[in-house]
Amino acid sequence: QKEVEQDPGPLSVPEGAIVSLNCTYSNSAFQYFMWYRQYSRKGPELLMYTYSSGNKEDGRFTAQVDKSSKYISLFIRDSQPSDSATYLCAMSYNFNKFYFGSGTKLNVKP
Amino acid sequence: NAGVTQTPKFQVLKTGQSMTLQCAQDMNHNSMYWYRQDPGMGLRLIYYSASEGTTDKGEVPNGYNVSRLNKREFSLRLESAAPSQTSVYFCASSFTVGTEAFFGQGTRLTVV
Repeated sequence: QKEVEQDPGPLSVPEGAIVSLNCTYSNSAFQYFMWYRQYSRKGPELLMYTYSSGNKEDGRFTAQVDKSSKYISLFIRDSQPSDSATYLCAMSYNFNKFYFGSGTKLNVKP
Repeated sequence: NAGVTQTPKFQVLKTGQSMTLQCAQDMNHNSMYWYRQDPGMGLRLIYYSASEGTTDKGEVPNGYNVSRLNKREFSLRLESAAPSQTSVYFCASSFTVGTEAFFGQGTRLTVV
């Protein structure tokens, strides 16, 4: 079993939709959670990071962590074609190395 | 503010050739990483350096060596390239291991 599981998609939604991207994990020690966006042929770009359970909002993006269920989510409101990319979750614990999900490919159709 | 800079952006090597991938960061980060990304395999850690003067193996270190030249620079060397090393290589840095990391734009390496 992988430490971090992420549905590869692709996920196709119409412009303006609310997008929900998810990761599950098996190690209850994970304490630091990140979301990255990666455009085709580019490096991963840090979108959001959080230490704690609950929600963190930044513009159209909301990161949610549920440690009891070992589940994290990234919500994108009012999705735009420019949001079309692969989204990677990552997590770590005790200042150890990162564990990445395999990424979900999102396509927002105009 | 350049962030993490990788050179070169593209490279084609013949089997058996050697090369060094360069990475530099200007964010005063202590930790630096080298990943490779292959279709269907996600990001895999090759080596990392928790701080200047230290390096550690990641998941896939075979066939690679690294040097943490100073706080800013972390290089990855392929001594004898193999077709299995065809990949996109990313360098990243973070203030300390496991905190939010920032990635470079990648090096696309093809070994023929």
